[in-house]
Amino acid sequence: DAGVIQSPRHEVTEMGQEVTLRCKPISGHDYLFWYRQTMMRGLELLIYFNNNVPIDDSGMPEDRFSAKMPNASFSTLKIQPSEPRDSAVYFCASSPGTEQFFGPGTRLTVL
Amino acid sequence: AQSVTQPDIHITVSEGASLELRCNYSYGATPYLFWYVQSPGQGLQLLLKYFSGDTLVQGIKGFEAEFKRSQSSFNLRKPSVHWSDAAEYFCAVGSATDSWGKLQFGAGTQVVVTP
Repeated sequence: DAGVIQSPRHEVTEMGQEVTLRCKPISGHDYLFWYRQTMMRGLELLIYFNNNVPIDDSGMPEDRFSAKMPNASFSTLKIQPSEPRDSAVYFCASSPGTEQFFGPGTRLTVL
Repeated sequence: AQSVTQPDIHITVSEGASLELRCNYSYGATPYLFWYVQSPGQGLQLLLKYFSGDTLVQGIKGFEAEFKRSQSSFNLRKPSVHWSDAAEYFCAVGSATDSWGKLQFGAGTQVVVTP
């Protein structure tokens, strides 16, 4: 099993640009989570899906952030427009309903 | 609401010494409990988990944790630390009856291993 796959691993962009982060969960996992990790705020849950349906998006910082899961094997997290304060490591995790399996993360730098 | 507290933000331990990381949770129902480890530049890796049964659980890399319901604790231990154990450790709690699938993570404990 390849585990959770995230792309890109690193992203550098300029303020105002659109950023799209991608995630492929482990096959058969019904849950998918997006987290953000920063030194100041630690690990924050942004949104999670169950069977491709968003269940809780209360952690999404503002309307600039959106997430989709068009099918069981793919999810995106989009930031539009991006701001320097969005710089962080973004993790995707998938779960069969108990423990979560994390991807390697995408390090986002917004200049 | 469920919560997880890791009282120690930072711990320094000598290589070969024992390590104990504390985790306290607040939750009404029987929780599912987890410990994850994050090495620099990596994602979180599951060390061990407790769902039910034997309250002493064994994990990978020589770690173990003990669930103590009376103390609402799930402390992580390792008898002899290796330099490669330097990392950040996260305790997490989930539930079979509430917000199924969602985990509450603690703030993490940074472990530094000295020669």
